[in-house]
This record gives sequence, structure tokens and C-alpha cells, in this order.
Amino acid sequence: DQQVKQNSPSLSVQEGRISILNCDYTNSMFDYFLWYKKYPAEGPTFLISISSIKDKNEDGRFTVFLNKSAKHLSLHIVPSQPGDSAVYFCAASANTDKLIFGTGTRLQVFP
Amino acid sequence: AAGVIQSPRHLIKEKRETATLKCYPIPRHDTVYWYQQGPGQDPQFLISFYEKMQSDKGSIPDRFSAQQFSDYHSELNMSSLELGDSALYFCASSLGPRGKPQHFGDGTRLSIL
Repeated sequence: DQQVKQNSPSLSVQEGRISILNCDYTNSMFDYFLWYKKYPAEGPTFLISISSIKDKNEDGRFTVFLNKSAKHLSLHIVPSQPGDSAVYFCAASANTDKLIFGTGTRLQVFP
Repeated sequence: AAGVIQSPRHLIKEKRETATLKCYPIPRHDTVYWYQQGPGQDPQFLISFYEKMQSDKGSIPDRFSAQQFSDYHSELNMSSLELGDSALYFCASSLGPRGKPQHFGDGTRLSIL
């Protein structure tokens, strides 16, 4: 049972535009959410996180939005850059150390 | 900035052998986590340590054990290795447990022949 889902396996965006990556979850006990970026042969790189007591968190070009009623979160990257091309994972935890990962979305930013 | 260091990067073992994976957390991080990622799967949480004490436990087989040392590095000991143990093993660290961003190393790829 996939508790964290990223329904779009890939996304292609033009440089300078906004990239929006989506993530849905089923477990209402999740209280902490994270986004990671991953390049081949490397570990996941932490980007941004959000606690369930917030609905938005912003860090530079990255903003995460959390809609608890819809059990949905999204990552906005503005403006998108070619170096953002990677696989993006959302992850969640429910007051434990254990992170549950989504299946990832491959983002490609083209010139 | 210093990241999480895992060694070795690659390890080849035979069935029934033992293996030890090492993890050096980001300086000042006091919490380490271990994950196992099989082929085509998401990372699965194994175990975590906060201030040298076990903090949380996931789907870690009884054949595996881990500990965190006084310098905060951690080791994952694996015995009686099986073919199904072939996977990518990630270590992560954070400043404090639960509700803190976990920063991952590049992983150790373990292959069992």
C-alpha cells in the first residue's frame, strides 16, 4: 500500500518557468513532510520541509504548499533552471524517525 | 559543506558472510538513520539512533544490528548474508530526531554473490 504517491512520473518545463511537483498521501497521521532531489549514483539531497501546523514554507526558489484536508502537497520551483533537472521525491513521517517516500517525479528543465 | 560520509561505497560479499557498513554524520548531527533500498523500490527504514541510543526501529532483520558510537558515527553489522540483502544502503543524519530534515549520504551498494 503506497502511502505517499507521486502520480506524475515525469515533468518537462522550460527554463525560467514555474515547475510544480505534486504529492498525495493517505495517512492522516503524517505530520512532517519533506522534498528531496536526487541525481543518479547520489543520495537524496534535502530541499525543503514543512510541518503539518503550517500550510506554506518558502526557501529561495522553492516553496512547499500543504493542503491537509486534501492530503496533498506540492513543490513549486520558480524560476526553473536547467540544473534543477533531477528526480524529486516527497517523503512523510508520522511522529517517528521513519520516512515514507513517494515514487519520484523526473523533472527536466529545457532551455 | 560537509556531508554524510558512507563507507565503503561498494561491497561484494558471498552468502553467509558478514558485512559492516559505516556512516559518518554531518558534524554536530546527533541522530543517524539507516535505510535499505532494493532494486526498483523506495528506501525502507531500518533503524535510527539519537545520542547513541536506539531511537526508532523499522523493518530490520534480526541478522542485522547497528550502533552509534561516542563520536556519533554509526555502523550497520550484517551477518549470514542472503541474496535478498543485495541493495543500496543509505545512512542519513540530522540535528535532533523526529521532525528534523534527514540528510542522506550517497549510499553503500552491497552485492551478494
